[in-house]
Amino acid sequence: DAKTTQPNSMESNEEEPVHLPCNHSTISGTDYIHWYRQLPSQGPEYVIHGLTSNVNNRMASLAIAEDRKSSTLILHRATLRDAAVYYCILYGTSYGKLTFGQGTILTVHP
Amino acid sequence: KAGVTQTPRYLIKTRGQQVTLSCSPISGHRSVSWYQQTPGQGLQFLFEYFSETQRNKGNFPGRFSGRQFSNSRSEMNVSTLELGDSALYLCASSSEDGLNEQYFGPGTRLTVT
Repeated sequence: DAKTTQPNSMESNEEEPVHLPCNHSTISGTDYIHWYRQLPSQGPEYVIHGLTSNVNNRMASLAIAEDRKSSTLILHRATLRDAAVYYCILYGTSYGKLTFGQGTILTVHP
Repeated sequence: KAGVTQTPRYLIKTRGQQVTLSCSPISGHRSVSWYQQTPGQGLQFLFEYFSETQRNKGNFPGRFSGRQFSNSRSEMNVSTLELGDSALYLCASSSEDGLNEQYFGPGTRLTVT
């Protein structure tokens, strides 16, 4: 499985934007970049995914580097509810198998 | 649409016993994946089922097994429970071919004593 590298932790203030980076230098052409988050005492929650172009949805934006070796998840205005562990995952042809790393623990301060 | 449901939510078993956990996917989803989450190992993939067939399997011993029914509901079974099997077991469902985003249930917390 292709590997991703994320910072162990990040902090943000409420209502400020948050940029969560992810490096994936060994990404293959068929790998999609998926982001999930896990709030305390809950199952993981799908956030967003993309292949080559930047993507936006109601939760976040995903900015993908032109060479696809890195990406950034953008939360436009962090809320306390966004405090969670964020996982960047490469998802290609291995059916159903999301390979979770350690993720980034996001702390949001009031 | 109702989300992924898992039953039971909590379970306490004794070493050597077996356990069956159930997962009902989102309506219309045909792919169901199972994961184990522990503080030491994090989230690890167990297996994936699509149209009643196991398509993918993680690195777990044969004591861990699963199946999927024609209505896409899935069960996983752990036989001869060990203390190390204490974990949160999560299932996730996905539409179509299983390469799309996955939607997770709340999990079943299994404690083995």
